[in-house]
Amino acid sequence: DAGVTQSPTHLIKTRGQQVTLRCSPKSGHDTVSWYQQALGQGPQFIFQYYEEEERQRGNFPDRFSGHQFPNYSSELNVNALLLGDSALYLCASSWDREYGGELFFGEGSRLTVL
Amino acid sequence: AQSVTQLGSHVSVSEGALVLLRCNYSSSVPPYLFWYVQYPNQGLQLLLKYTSAATLVKGINGFEAEFKKSETSFHLTKPSAHMSDAAEYFCAVSYSGGYQKVTFGTGTKLQVIP
Repeated sequence: DAGVTQSPTHLIKTRGQQVTLRCSPKSGHDTVSWYQQALGQGPQFIFQYYEEEERQRGNFPDRFSGHQFPNYSSELNVNALLLGDSALYLCASSWDREYGGELFFGEGSRLTVL
Repeated sequence: AQSVTQLGSHVSVSEGALVLLRCNYSSSVPPYLFWYVQYPNQGLQLLLKYTSAATLVKGINGFEAEFKKSETSFHLTKPSAHMSDAAEYFCAVSYSGGYQKVTFGTGTKLQVIP
């Protein structure tokens, strides 16, 4: 049973560019959450997708957007990249019906903005 | 809003010594509480969770945590540290009406000294 997979694992962009990160959830999971983890910090909630819609959003600007596909996989898009967007982006999947359930994390996509 | 505070960004213990990592939570409703561990260049893995069943929760790798409502605490302990325990530990909180949005603390990096 494959866990959460993310791609790419590492990428380098320049300021002003756009990036797309991808996530495939654990089998059986229908909810995908995205987190940003800056160096030395805890993960910060970006948004969560369920039934192909953004259900919750953290304190992130509109430059951060996402999508969920019918197979529950998800994308995170960041436009007009800033140096401060350099971070590890983590995808986590879960099952909507399980309140208090475990989040399963991928290994992340490390984005460096130059 | 829910939040957690982790006291001590770095903790050092000798191999075989007691591990104590502190976490205090803030929640206006009964919380779900979690401890996650992150090894270098990896995603997060659940150690244990509290979901209102038993106040003393046992997790993987010999870790346990006790939910103390009167102190709003959920400290993580392990009787005897092992070299393999060296990692970063995150306390996290969610609640039943929160669609599984999990809020993380800033993390505590555990160093185990041989």
